[in-house]
Amino acid sequence: EAGVTQSPTHLIKTRGQQVTLRCSPISGHTSVYWYQQALGLGLQFLLWYDEGEERNRENFPPRFSGRQFPNYSSELNVNALELEDSALYLCASSPRLAGGADTQYFGPGTRLTVL
Amino acid sequence: SQQGEEDPQALSIQEGENATMNCSYKTSINNLQWYRQNSGRGLVHLILIRSNEREKHSGRLRVTLDTSKKSSSLLITASRAADTASYFCATMNSGYSTLTFGKGTMLLVSP
Repeated sequence: EAGVTQSPTHLIKTRGQQVTLRCSPISGHTSVYWYQQALGLGLQFLLWYDEGEERNRENFPPRFSGRQFPNYSSELNVNALELEDSALYLCASSPRLAGGADTQYFGPGTRLTVL
Repeated sequence: SQQGEEDPQALSIQEGENATMNCSYKTSINNLQWYRQNSGRGLVHLILIRSNEREKHSGRLRVTLDTSKKSSSLLITASRAADTASYFCATMNSGYSTLTFGKGTMLLVSP
């Protein structure tokens, strides 16, 4: 069974640019989660999509947005990049169970560097 | 926002020794999970313990949960160099499906 995949692996952008990160969940999983792991800050939850809808988001600025496609893959968009957006962006997926999902399966991440 | 706080921040031991990491959290939870991360890459799920459980085992891993103290511990027995990684606890609150992670413990196991 293929795991969660993310693309690209690494990305270098300059301040003010826009970036799109992509995630494909495990087959059969309908929920996709995005996390930001900046140096020294641990993992911060960003967004949760399930069945094409945004279910929850943390207190990140609106320049962080995303969407989920009918095949359950997802994109994370970050506009007007700032230096502090440099981080490892992790995507995770889980099956959608009644009452909420438990274990999340993570992809390898996209390393974003903003210069 | 951080929920879990791991302790210690870093731990260095010799192969064959046991490693114990602790996690404290602030609000009531549905379950608590431990993940491992190698070299800043993706996280690997290790074990999940539900709020009505007190102890759980998986291979060389033993997890305990004390909901009265809002704390958990992860014990890795007979550690190996391959166990070198960062370990994170993550909590899932009641009614939510998102995980809140701590900042992690960096474990170094020397041969």
